[in-house]
Amino acid sequence: EAQVTQNPRYLITVTGKKLTVTCSQNMNHEYMSWYRQDPGLGLRQIYYSMNVEVTDKGDVPEGYKVSRKEKRNFPLILESPSPNQTSLYFCASSPLGQPQHFGDGTRLSIL
Amino acid sequence: GENVEQHPSTLSVQEGDSAVIKCTYSDSASNYFPWYKQELGKRPQLIIDIRSNVGEKKDQRIAVTLNKTAKHFSLHITETQPEDSAVYFCAASIRPGGSYIPTFGRGTSLIVHP
Repeated sequence: EAQVTQNPRYLITVTGKKLTVTCSQNMNHEYMSWYRQDPGLGLRQIYYSMNVEVTDKGDVPEGYKVSRKEKRNFPLILESPSPNQTSLYFCASSPLGQPQHFGDGTRLSIL
Repeated sequence: GENVEQHPSTLSVQEGDSAVIKCTYSDSASNYFPWYKQELGKRPQLIIDIRSNVGEKKDQRIAVTLNKTAKHFSLHITETQPEDSAVYFCAASIRPGGSYIPTFGRGTSLIVHP
């Protein structure tokens, strides 16, 4: 089954404790991206990648890192999480120039 | 960068009525416009899209229109049903290097009353 898998789905943690949200897709898609969704603000892009070892900043990259060492994986790293990063996060993937498939989301709460 | 405005933020209709959601964009280089539906607690899912060489596209009860000159595009849902209740997002995308970089609107919460 074609899918984008995010883990964990829910996480409550504390300020400053490094965390990684994994994203994996089994569709051999070149393009992958991360979004955060906050009430009233819609979906805002954090980072995206058009292929292995190629990453670029989206609209709200501050406080986040990503890597694309393999085509299928695109982890989101919060080196020193802060409460303003409490949000619902979505990973998405697509072939180049095609609509995106979203994962089921990760709800992060940073205390 | 691109800026996408979406209106209204909330839309309440009776079952069977039509619903229209409008979006405007700022970057004339944008050439791909998808619409996503997000049901409560679920992921956004593509429902329809349109590219800049087309003025209108239909799929059963939903349609999208695009006016490139005015830089606005709209989603039209006819004969609304309670299961259409969801948040709808528009997006405008440019296409550097073969993929596209989307900017999303803030979403419209559609409520269809039985």
